[in-house]
Amino acid sequence: NAGVTQTPKFRVLKTGQSMTLLCAQDMNHEYMYWYRQDPGMGLRLIHYSVGEGTTAKGEVPDGYNVSRLKKQNFLLGLESAAPSQTSVYFCASSYQGERGTQYFGPGTRLLVL
Amino acid sequence: GNSVTQMEGPVTLSEEAFLTINCTYTATGYPSLFWYVQYPGEGLQLLLKATKADDKGSNKGFEATYRKETTSFHLEKGSVQVSDSAVYFCALRNSGGSNYKLTFGKGTLLTVNP
Repeated sequence: NAGVTQTPKFRVLKTGQSMTLLCAQDMNHEYMYWYRQDPGMGLRLIHYSVGEGTTAKGEVPDGYNVSRLKKQNFLLGLESAAPSQTSVYFCASSYQGERGTQYFGPGTRLLVL
Repeated sequence: GNSVTQMEGPVTLSEEAFLTINCTYTATGYPSLFWYVQYPGEGLQLLLKATKADDKGSNKGFEATYRKETTSFHLEKGSVQVSDSAVYFCALRNSGGSNYKLTFGKGTLLTVNP
């Protein structure tokens, strides 16, 4: 049982490049989330999904897209990376409902030059 | 909207000292409250939670009591260890709704020296 895994762990991009961050969970959770963590800002929700095939915007969705084609995977895409997207990205998953404690992945550190 | 305010760090303590990290919140309804911990280079882990007023969450010697009258959820530990050095996040989740999103505070860095 690996829990929540994220790939890659670290990536350097040039401005304008694109990339996809992958999140996978093996706990059969319905809900999945993408957050970004910036110094002094805590964690902010980018997008989330309440089930396979559904996605919704969070607090800071601009510049990102997501897809949830399979229940266990949640992809975060950057179509044209900007230096402002330099951050640490965390994926989380949870069961539906009040018992839904969120479990976090180890994070992906992204540097956009 | 929802918001969480934590005491700003960093907090530096000696081993066996008493720890308090203040957390207050603003929310509609009756939120659930959480403390998450992030050890260096790792993701966040749930430390403890409380789902209704006057509930006390506890784990690994840490405690926090859900105080509705003061809208607070302060984290305490009677005797910290070097291994407690980490960033601590207070968070809330509104009851009801359909997405169970968490709203986080900015985090408090705790360093415990031997």
